[in-house]
Amino acid sequence: SQKIEQNSEALNIQEGKTATLTCNYTNYSPAYLQWYRQDPGRGPVFLLLIRENEKEKRKERLKVTFDTTLKQSLFHITASQPADSATYLCALEGTNAGKSTFGDGTTLTVKP
Amino acid sequence: DAGVTQSPTHLIKTRGQQVTLRCSPKSGHDTVSWYQQALGQGPQFIFQYYEEEERQRGNFPDRFSGHQFPNYSSELNVNALLLGDSALYLCASSLPGTETQYFGPGTRLLVL
Repeated sequence: SQKIEQNSEALNIQEGKTATLTCNYTNYSPAYLQWYRQDPGRGPVFLLLIRENEKEKRKERLKVTFDTTLKQSLFHITASQPADSATYLCALEGTNAGKSTFGDGTTLTVKP
Repeated sequence: DAGVTQSPTHLIKTRGQQVTLRCSPKSGHDTVSWYQQALGQGPQFIFQYYEEEERQRGNFPDRFSGHQFPNYSSELNVNALLLGDSALYLCASSLPGTETQYFGPGTRLLVL
């Protein structure tokens, strides 16, 4: 069955450092992969999308890589800030858009 | 521009009861997806509605049903509630042919 694993439940880093979150998947051939941010008690907020034929995507301090051979995506936040503290979810999408398969998320805490 | 709205924000029910949750999509969006998110887990896809028809469905029993109205708003109905149905129920809207989903704040359902 399809499985998505996000590297760890929690990640603690110091302000100014780069946070790196991992998303691994098995038994799946996604057309694209998305990263979301979720704050407690709120719905997920879309951050970045990367397609299967793309290696890297950037948006401001965010960078996503996608390796379909390793079946892995890495999500980087550079120059992290305490306001970046949240749970980050990766989601895979097949050819049928809107039926996203989510990982369980990684909770990032950035300490001042 | 209002984003995705959901009502109610919180709900307490007892086992065996029925519940109806409501969602208004983002302006201009005609596709609505529903997700269930248990505590500490990622959202799980329930079903998607487009043009008032259920277009896709996840691995949820028939106790979970839905409806989409001509104005694109949607309802999620759950019959014969179980303790395990306690979760955050999320609604997401999108435009057909686009990948980005916009999530609402969710409805927190507690089944006692």
